[in-house]
Amino acid sequence: AQTVTQSQPEMSVQEAETVTLSCTYDTSENNYYLFWYKQPPSRQMILVIRQEAYKQQNATENRFSVNFQKAAKSFSLKISDSQLGDTAMYFCAFVNSGGSNYKLTFGKGTLLTVNP
Amino acid sequence: DTGVSQDPRHKITKRGQNVTFRCDPISEHNRLYWYRQTLGQGPEFLTYFQNEAQLEKSRLLSDRFSAERPKGSFSTLEIQRTEQGDSAMYLCASSPRDRGNIQYFGAGTRLSVL
Repeated sequence: AQTVTQSQPEMSVQEAETVTLSCTYDTSENNYYLFWYKQPPSRQMILVIRQEAYKQQNATENRFSVNFQKAAKSFSLKISDSQLGDTAMYFCAFVNSGGSNYKLTFGKGTLLTVNP
Repeated sequence: DTGVSQDPRHKITKRGQNVTFRCDPISEHNRLYWYRQTLGQGPEFLTYFQNEAQLEKSRLLSDRFSAERPKGSFSTLEIQRTEQGDSAMYLCASSPRDRGNIQYFGAGTRLSVL
């Protein structure tokens, strides 16, 4: 079974600064995907960024980028130029790419607060 | 796309009552998932449909829970004889045929069992 660990229950950052959220995972699989999802207060979960395990290049999406260290089973999210709208719960998630059921395994989340 | 729609958004019920939630996935998405999220936790997988077939159920899904997806379109999740431990946010997600690993989530149904 896969597990996802987010060791930072809460973090805060000043607007326009950079923040990094940590995530580690454990799996015996070789082919998988990793995700960061954002869940704003009382709103739906939104995909922030996705990383395919077979790709060495770290994924980037505008102000969001990841540091994927496959050997260390680490998958951190960097948010640059933080904005007030980035305030949300952030979940790291894993999915095994084998089979047809792409069920997500989530960490417990990190509550990020961006302060003005 | 109008997004994944869940109804109701909130449900308050008394212990022992039955409740049913509905999820309308994004049109043409063939995969549909249900997750449960309790306070301070990440969502946990409950069950998965590919078209109308329910292909996997988590051990979290006790006999009091049943899910259907008739005709491979909308899905319902029913909880019979609710217990206080069933209080949670129930999330639905769907994914398209050509990018099955990307899930789009609804806003969820928050269940409170008194």
